[in-house]
Amino acid sequence: AQTVTQSQPEMSVQEAETVTLSCTYDTSESDYYLFWYKQPPSRQMILVIRQEAYKQQNATENRFSVNFQKAAKSFSLKISDSQLGDAAMYFCASVTGTASKLTFGTGTRLQVTL
Amino acid sequence: DTEVTQTPKHLVMGMTNKKSLKCEQHMGHRAMYWYKQKAKKPPELMFVYSYEKLSINESVPSRFSPECPNSSLLNLHLHALQPEDSALYLCASSPTADRREQYFGPGTRLTVT
Repeated sequence: AQTVTQSQPEMSVQEAETVTLSCTYDTSESDYYLFWYKQPPSRQMILVIRQEAYKQQNATENRFSVNFQKAAKSFSLKISDSQLGDAAMYFCASVTGTASKLTFGTGTRLQVTL
Repeated sequence: DTEVTQTPKHLVMGMTNKKSLKCEQHMGHRAMYWYKQKAKKPPELMFVYSYEKLSINESVPSRFSPECPNSSLLNLHLHALQPEDSALYLCASSPTADRREQYFGPGTRLTVT
Protein backbone atom coordinates (compact mmCIF):
# COMPACT_ATOMS: atom_id res chain seq x y z
CA ALA A 1 0.00 0.00 0.00
CA GLN A 2 1.08 3.52 -0.71
CA THR A 3 0.83 6.48 1.62
CA VAL A 4 1.51 10.13 0.94
CA THR A 5 2.00 12.62 3.77
CA GLN A 6 1.88 16.40 3.58
CA SER A 7 2.70 17.79 7.01
CA GLN A 8 2.04 21.46 6.25
CA PRO A 9 -1.70 22.21 6.19
CA GLU A 10 -1.06 25.85 5.30
CA MET A 11 1.84 27.90 3.99
CA SER A 12 2.23 31.56 3.16
CA VAL A 13 4.68 33.30 0.83
CA GLN A 14 5.17 36.84 -0.31
CA GLU A 15 4.86 37.66 -3.95
CA ALA A 16 8.16 37.16 -5.83
CA GLU A 17 9.61 35.04 -3.03
CA THR A 18 10.35 31.30 -3.02
CA VAL A 19 8.43 28.67 -1.08
CA THR A 20 8.92 24.94 -0.61
CA LEU A 21 6.08 22.53 0.04
CA SER A 22 6.95 19.23 1.68
CA CYS A 23 5.79 15.74 0.82
CA THR A 24 6.88 12.32 1.98
CA TYR A 25 5.65 9.02 0.65
CA ASP A 26 5.94 5.36 1.38
CA THR A 27 5.75 2.51 -1.07
CA SER A 28 7.20 -0.96 -1.40
CA GLU A 29 7.20 -0.71 -5.20
CA SER A 30 10.31 0.11 -7.18
CA ASP A 31 8.37 1.50 -10.14
CA TYR A 32 6.31 4.53 -9.20
CA TYR A 33 5.54 8.08 -10.21
CA LEU A 34 5.07 11.21 -8.18
CA PHE A 35 3.04 14.30 -8.96
CA TRP A 36 2.13 17.69 -7.65
CA TYR A 37 -1.35 18.93 -8.47
CA LYS A 38 -2.69 22.43 -7.88
CA GLN A 39 -6.35 23.10 -7.11
CA PRO A 40 -7.27 26.81 -7.07
CA PRO A 41 -10.62 28.04 -5.76
CA SER A 42 -11.97 27.51 -9.28
CA ARG A 43 -11.79 23.78 -8.31
CA GLN A 44 -10.00 22.34 -11.32
CA MET A 45 -7.09 20.06 -10.46
CA ILE A 46 -4.11 21.09 -12.55
CA LEU A 47 -1.05 18.90 -13.03
CA VAL A 48 1.96 20.98 -12.01
CA ILE A 49 4.86 18.57 -12.31
CA ARG A 50 5.64 14.85 -12.50
CA GLN A 51 8.65 12.76 -11.50
CA GLU A 52 9.43 9.20 -12.51
CA ALA A 53 11.11 7.29 -9.70
CA TYR A 54 13.71 5.79 -12.03
CA LYS A 55 14.95 9.23 -13.07
CA GLN A 56 17.62 10.71 -10.85
CA GLN A 57 17.29 14.19 -12.31
CA ASN A 58 14.82 16.44 -10.54
CA ALA A 59 11.91 17.57 -12.71
CA THR A 60 11.42 21.26 -13.47
CA GLU A 61 8.59 23.17 -15.14
CA ASN A 62 9.30 26.88 -15.45
CA ARG A 63 9.06 28.32 -11.90
CA PHE A 64 8.24 24.92 -10.39
CA SER A 65 10.86 22.36 -9.47
CA VAL A 66 11.06 19.34 -7.24
CA ASN A 67 13.65 17.98 -4.84
CA PHE A 68 13.31 14.23 -5.18
CA GLN A 69 15.18 12.33 -2.48
CA LYS A 70 14.50 8.69 -3.25
CA ALA A 71 16.26 7.17 -0.26
CA ALA A 72 14.47 9.50 2.12
CA LYS A 73 11.17 9.08 0.20
CA SER A 74 10.81 12.82 0.01
CA PHE A 75 9.34 14.84 -2.85
CA SER A 76 9.19 18.57 -2.14
CA LEU A 77 7.93 21.26 -4.51
CA LYS A 78 9.75 24.57 -4.86
CA ILE A 79 7.90 27.53 -6.32
CA SER A 80 10.18 30.38 -7.35
CA ASP A 81 9.12 33.98 -7.98
CA SER A 82 5.70 33.30 -6.44
CA GLN A 83 2.73 34.96 -8.09
CA LEU A 84 -0.77 35.73 -6.82
CA GLY A 85 -2.09 33.10 -9.21
CA ASP A 86 -0.11 30.42 -7.38
CA ALA A 87 -2.50 30.65 -4.43
CA ALA A 88 -4.23 27.27 -4.27
CA MET A 89 -4.41 23.92 -2.54
CA TYR A 90 -1.46 21.78 -3.56
CA PHE A 91 -1.74 18.00 -3.49
CA CYS A 92 1.17 15.61 -3.65
CA ALA A 93 0.23 12.28 -5.23
CA SER A 94 1.80 8.97 -6.17
CA VAL A 95 0.95 6.02 -8.36
CA THR A 96 2.75 2.69 -8.74
CA GLY A 97 3.83 1.10 -11.98
CA THR A 98 0.98 -1.37 -12.18
CA ALA A 99 -1.91 0.54 -10.67
CA SER A 100 -4.25 3.20 -11.98
CA LYS A 101 -5.05 4.66 -8.57
CA LEU A 102 -3.58 7.99 -7.53
CA THR A 103 -2.86 8.21 -3.82
CA PHE A 104 -3.14 11.80 -2.64
CA GLY A 105 -1.76 13.57 0.38
CA THR A 106 -4.05 15.74 2.50
CA GLY A 107 -2.98 18.92 0.75
CA THR A 108 -1.21 22.16 1.60
CA ARG A 109 -3.07 25.44 1.20
CA LEU A 110 -0.72 28.10 -0.14
CA GLN A 111 -1.44 31.77 0.37
CA VAL A 112 0.43 34.40 -1.63
CA THR A 113 0.57 37.86 -0.09
CA LEU A 114 1.56 41.22 -1.52
CA ASP B 1 -4.60 20.27 -25.62
CA THR B 2 -5.17 18.76 -22.16
CA GLU B 3 -8.84 19.59 -21.79
CA VAL B 4 -11.41 17.50 -20.03
CA THR B 5 -14.90 18.98 -19.95
CA GLN B 6 -17.68 18.23 -17.49
CA THR B 7 -21.35 19.13 -17.48
CA PRO B 8 -23.22 20.43 -15.64
CA LYS B 9 -21.08 22.71 -13.46
CA HIS B 10 -23.65 22.66 -10.69
CA LEU B 11 -26.46 20.22 -9.96
CA VAL B 12 -29.10 20.25 -7.24
CA MET B 13 -31.23 17.14 -6.96
CA GLY B 14 -33.70 15.59 -4.59
CA MET B 15 -33.21 12.17 -3.08
CA THR B 16 -35.79 10.63 -5.44
CA ASN B 17 -34.42 12.17 -8.63
CA LYS B 18 -32.41 10.54 -11.39
CA LYS B 19 -29.70 12.63 -12.98
CA SER B 20 -26.48 12.12 -14.93
CA LEU B 21 -23.07 13.75 -14.95
CA LYS B 22 -21.17 13.91 -18.20
CA CYS B 23 -17.45 13.99 -18.93
CA GLU B 24 -15.77 14.34 -22.30
CA GLN B 25 -12.22 14.37 -23.59
CA HIS B 26 -10.88 14.57 -27.12
CA MET B 27 -7.23 13.86 -26.40
CA GLY B 28 -7.40 10.23 -27.49
CA HIS B 29 -6.99 9.08 -23.91
CA ARG B 30 -8.03 5.49 -23.26
CA ALA B 31 -8.44 5.61 -19.49
CA MET B 32 -11.05 7.68 -17.68
CA TYR B 33 -11.80 8.13 -14.00
CA TRP B 34 -14.47 9.37 -11.63
CA TYR B 35 -13.48 10.93 -8.29
CA LYS B 36 -15.50 12.30 -5.41
CA GLN B 37 -14.10 15.21 -3.43
CA LYS B 38 -15.44 16.57 -0.17
CA ALA B 39 -14.53 20.06 1.00
CA LYS B 40 -10.91 20.45 2.12
CA LYS B 41 -10.16 16.81 1.36
CA PRO B 42 -8.24 15.12 -1.45
CA PRO B 43 -10.17 13.39 -4.24
CA GLU B 44 -11.28 9.82 -3.64
CA LEU B 45 -11.29 7.42 -6.56
CA MET B 46 -14.66 5.91 -7.46
CA PHE B 47 -14.29 4.20 -10.86
CA VAL B 48 -11.69 3.57 -13.55
CA TYR B 49 -12.46 2.74 -17.17
CA SER B 50 -9.70 1.39 -19.37
CA TYR B 51 -10.38 0.95 -23.09
CA GLU B 52 -14.07 1.52 -22.38
CA LYS B 53 -14.28 -1.31 -19.87
CA LEU B 54 -14.76 -0.87 -16.14
CA SER B 55 -11.48 -1.91 -14.52
CA ILE B 56 -11.81 -0.55 -10.99
CA ASN B 57 -14.87 0.01 -8.77
CA GLU B 58 -13.80 1.24 -5.36
CA SER B 59 -16.79 -0.37 -3.62
CA VAL B 60 -19.04 2.49 -4.63
CA PRO B 61 -22.74 2.19 -3.68
CA SER B 62 -25.00 1.08 -6.52
CA ARG B 63 -26.84 4.39 -6.50
CA PHE B 64 -23.85 5.57 -8.56
CA SER B 65 -23.74 3.89 -11.96
CA PRO B 66 -20.92 4.65 -14.41
CA GLU B 67 -21.13 4.27 -18.14
CA CYS B 68 -18.54 4.65 -20.90
CA PRO B 69 -20.40 4.79 -24.25
CA ASN B 70 -17.22 5.43 -26.23
CA SER B 71 -13.58 6.30 -25.73
CA SER B 72 -14.29 10.03 -25.42
CA LEU B 73 -17.28 10.02 -23.14
CA LEU B 74 -17.89 9.01 -19.53
CA ASN B 75 -21.18 9.30 -17.69
CA LEU B 76 -22.11 8.93 -14.06
CA HIS B 77 -25.78 8.11 -13.49
CA LEU B 78 -27.20 9.10 -10.14
CA HIS B 79 -30.29 7.66 -8.49
CA ALA B 80 -31.71 7.80 -4.97
CA LEU B 81 -28.78 9.72 -3.60
CA GLN B 82 -28.34 10.72 0.02
CA PRO B 83 -27.45 14.17 1.37
CA GLU B 84 -23.99 12.87 2.29
CA ASP B 85 -23.35 12.30 -1.42
CA SER B 86 -23.17 16.06 -1.86
CA ALA B 87 -19.65 16.76 -3.09
CA LEU B 88 -17.52 17.85 -6.04
CA TYR B 89 -17.38 15.11 -8.66
CA LEU B 90 -14.24 15.17 -10.75
CA CYS B 91 -13.58 13.36 -13.99
CA ALA B 92 -10.05 12.66 -15.19
CA SER B 93 -8.37 10.95 -18.11
CA SER B 94 -4.94 9.59 -18.93
CA PRO B 95 -3.43 8.35 -22.20
CA THR B 96 -3.69 4.78 -20.98
CA ALA B 97 -4.20 3.28 -17.55
CA ASP B 98 -0.45 2.73 -17.30
CA ARG B 99 0.46 6.29 -18.39
CA ARG B 100 0.40 7.74 -14.97
CA GLU B 101 -0.43 11.41 -15.19
CA GLN B 102 -4.13 12.17 -15.05
CA TYR B 103 -5.77 15.29 -16.41
CA PHE B 104 -8.80 16.55 -14.54
CA GLY B 105 -11.95 18.31 -15.60
CA PRO B 106 -13.38 21.30 -13.71
CA GLY B 107 -15.83 19.16 -11.77
CA THR B 108 -19.56 19.12 -11.07
CA ARG B 109 -20.71 20.53 -7.73
CA LEU B 110 -23.55 18.23 -6.61
CA THR B 111 -25.98 19.11 -3.87
CA VAL B 112 -28.50 16.51 -2.72
CA THR B 113 -31.50 17.92 -0.87
